[in-house]
Amino acid sequence: QSALTQPASVSGSPGQSITISCTGTSSDVGGYNYVSWYQQHPGKAPNLIIYDVTNRPSGVSNRFSGSKSGNTASLTISGLQAEDEADYYCSSYTGSSLRVFGGGTKLTVL
Amino acid sequence: EVQLVESGGGLVQPGGSLKLSCAASGFTFSTSAMHWVRQASGKGLEWVGHIRTKANNYATAYLASVKGRFTISRDDSKNTAYLQMNSLKTEDTAVYYCTGHNDGYWGQGTLVTVSS
Repeated sequence: QSALTQPASVSGSPGQSITISCTGTSSDVGGYNYVSWYQQHPGKAPNLIIYDVTNRPSGVSNRFSGSKSGNTASLTISGLQAEDEADYYCSSYTGSSLRVFGGGTKLTVL
Repeated sequence: EVQLVESGGGLVQPGGSLKLSCAASGFTFSTSAMHWVRQASGKGLEWVGHIRTKANNYATAYLASVKGRFTISRDDSKNTAYLQMNSLKTEDTAVYYCTGHNDGYWGQGTLVTVSS
């Protein structure tokens, strides 16, 4: 189970939109619509923000959206806010009931 | 209010054992698969394994590097999930989180340190 590939860091200014990619293979991201995204602030537990590629849990801002094309999933955050500065992780089902996470992306709001 | 509370972490020598608990409240525990996820200091998240529900025969699955050493179990009467960790290695050092309700709920984590 190799980790999914995410950029180490992304940045944007308040009000802008940013996109974080999550690249896997046809055995994980490309093979199933079970990609999730998590936001983690320093010293805190992760928080689920997207599940099943495009769905937002209740209470998550609609500024967060997910998509997938082939073996790459993406998280877009629109109208960037200071409180969005955090680490973001993707995860995917890999078959045989296994799961894998991405290496994480540090978002800096300039 | 939903709560997941992990306990049982601590310092253990290489080759030793530790059992983590995850006490759940505020949601229907018996119908939720429970996962364990770990995070080494300054590193990313790593899925450790999960246990499904009674309806799914309490099926389990594990990360390759812990299979055969770690065992996940649950007691629905106590709303508690467990992670039994044997033959611990230094690379198992991490904060261990339990999650439920399709990762919608996370505990605060418990630190496991494997060191001599």
